[in-house]
Amino acid sequence: GAGVSQSPSNKVTEKGKDVELRCDPISGHTALYWYRQSLGQGLEFLIYFQGNSAPDKSGLPSDRFSAERTGGSVSTLTIQRTQQEDSAVYLCASSLARSVQFFGPGTRLTVL
Amino acid sequence: AQRVTQPEKLLSVFKGAPVELKCNYSYSGSPELFWYVQYSRQRLQLLLRHISRESIKGFTADLNKGETSFHLKKPFAQEEDSAMYYCALSGGGAAGNKLTFGGGTRVLVKP
Repeated sequence: GAGVSQSPSNKVTEKGKDVELRCDPISGHTALYWYRQSLGQGLEFLIYFQGNSAPDKSGLPSDRFSAERTGGSVSTLTIQRTQQEDSAVYLCASSLARSVQFFGPGTRLTVL
Repeated sequence: AQRVTQPEKLLSVFKGAPVELKCNYSYSGSPELFWYVQYSRQRLQLLLRHISRESIKGFTADLNKGETSFHLKKPFAQEEDSAMYYCALSGGGAAGNKLTFGGGTRVLVKP
């Protein structure tokens, strides 16, 4: 079957614009995670969805960042009023409950 | 707080030589430790997890709770091992399954 997919693969935006990044997890995986990979900060956890439980948003860097997961499947990460420091590769991962996480190819975001 | 430290940013070895990537962690409970690898232009993928106690692609890693380490070793490096390696920790329990990553070590295996 297909792995985790993310779209777009690349996104270039202007400072101040909003962006939406999409993640399609592996079918049947109940857990979904967002991470950010940047030169200065390495790989950082952002947010975690597990089934119908309230998401763990403890890694979101500011209130400009939000995410939702509709129907327990597809997730969208939204960044409002983008800043240059938001430039990074945004990675999505999914897993069965607390099992091994499988990562998507990432979305490279560039904020000009 | 949980933290993972990979002290080497770059390891350069010759083909056939041993390679060891260091990983130290801090966590108050009983963590689960992983090694993830990212080959050039590929996605991040799991290499090893400590509870599996298995060898993958000739790599092994032993969890040393006394030294809070989870070093990755391979006795004879191959050119195809050139990649970025990340050590990661999952606290489980109330913290869920989110991963805390080290800064990564780039391995370059020279012919």
